[in-house]
Amino acid sequence: EAQVTQNPRYLITVTGKKLTVTCSQNMNHEYMSWYRQDPGLGLRQIYYSMNVEVTDKGDVPEGYKVSRKEKRNFPLILESPSPNQTSLYFCASNLAGSTDTQYFGPGTRLTVL
Amino acid sequence: QKEVEQNSGPLSVPEGAIASLNCTYSDRVSQSFFWYRQYSGKSPELIMSIYSNGDKEDGRFTAQLNKASQYVSLLIRDSQPSDSATYLCASQGEKLTFGTGTRLTIIP
Repeated sequence: EAQVTQNPRYLITVTGKKLTVTCSQNMNHEYMSWYRQDPGLGLRQIYYSMNVEVTDKGDVPEGYKVSRKEKRNFPLILESPSPNQTSLYFCASNLAGSTDTQYFGPGTRLTVL
Repeated sequence: QKEVEQNSGPLSVPEGAIASLNCTYSDRVSQSFFWYRQYSGKSPELIMSIYSNGDKEDGRFTAQLNKASQYVSLLIRDSQPSDSATYLCASQGEKLTFGTGTRLTIIP
């Protein structure tokens, strides 16, 4: 089954404690991205990757890091989380140049106290 | 700042009626437009894409695009309670930009 998986699905943490949200896809998609979704602000792109070892900033990259060492995985790293990073996070993937093929992961609800 | 604007709703429509969702975009270089459906607590799901001016129909859904007016719409015919969700409009220019979504409620 074609899918994007994220872990964990729910996380409550404290300010400053480093965390990683994993994302994996099994569709051999080149393009992967991370979004955060906040009430009234919609989906905003954090980072994206066009292929292995190729990543770039989206609209709201501050406070986040990513890496793309393998095609299937695209982890999101919060080195020092802060309460304003409390949000619903989605990973997505698609074939390069084909938004029609975009799949979203199930989401990770993060709370930073 | 390239923007996609949607009326946040909520939009309430009786079961069996036509639901009409609207979206405007500011980036004139946008070539592709998408409608996503998002149920509460779930991830967005792509339901329609449109690239050319005019209408595109898929089952009960019709997407309409007017590039001159920078306007995209989604019509849902014979609305069902299962259509109750938030609908996100997105435009693809240099990047994919989402609107904030319109919450649709179908009243039985």
